[in-house]
Amino acid sequence: GAVVSQHPSWVICKSGTSVKIECRSLDFQATTMFWYRQFPKQSLMLMATSNEGSKATYEQGVEKDKFLINHASLTLSTLTVTSAHPEDSSFYICSASGLDPQYFGPGTRLTVL
Amino acid sequence: AQTVTQSQPEMSVQEAETVTLSCTYDTSESDYYLFWYKQPPSRQMILVIRQEAYKQQNATENRFSVNFQKAAKSFSLKISDSQLGDAAMYFCAYRGTLAGGKLIFGQGTELSVKP
Repeated sequence: GAVVSQHPSWVICKSGTSVKIECRSLDFQATTMFWYRQFPKQSLMLMATSNEGSKATYEQGVEKDKFLINHASLTLSTLTVTSAHPEDSSFYICSASGLDPQYFGPGTRLTVL
Repeated sequence: AQTVTQSQPEMSVQEAETVTLSCTYDTSESDYYLFWYKQPPSRQMILVIRQEAYKQQNATENRFSVNFQKAAKSFSLKISDSQLGDAAMYFCAYRGTLAGGKLIFGQGTELSVKP
């Protein structure tokens, strides 16, 4: 199947700093990328949908100014957690969709101290 | 709005035995897709099987098969000859043909396999 990478896989940061997570589709062009958040033992919660070259569509309750999403090319989307706080600590997963189905990245564990 | 429900938070199966994971969904759309994803301890989401709603034939992938009951809005996953490597969290997911292709996930079922 298609490969989606995420970088970094694990990041620890201090409260108040910003963190950028990259999501890349390695062998196909992803017209749409999705960002999810997952807490331990829970399901994936969709945060936003990003289409290449246009603004992301955020799900209800997700702060767009806190979670900045950029989808500058057909192979790269980035999620920036701005002014991170301990409650932002979570597992963040991206997925990419070119043709069916969606393919998922390996996830990024964010810990905010 | 579409919803997906997995009513079994945890399931257990003996190695080599068969287990069925349940999933129900609610939608007003007539055309859609259903998926089962596996999330092992590594947390990498892996597509197990998919079903197009317009197809009456149940999808199969080796030891994995589904029982798709469109009228009942039910989409169960059967794992035959269970292996230790099948132990994982399993998520049922719905995707309509509209709404940007986003997946709607169920709550998940944690499957343990006993040797």
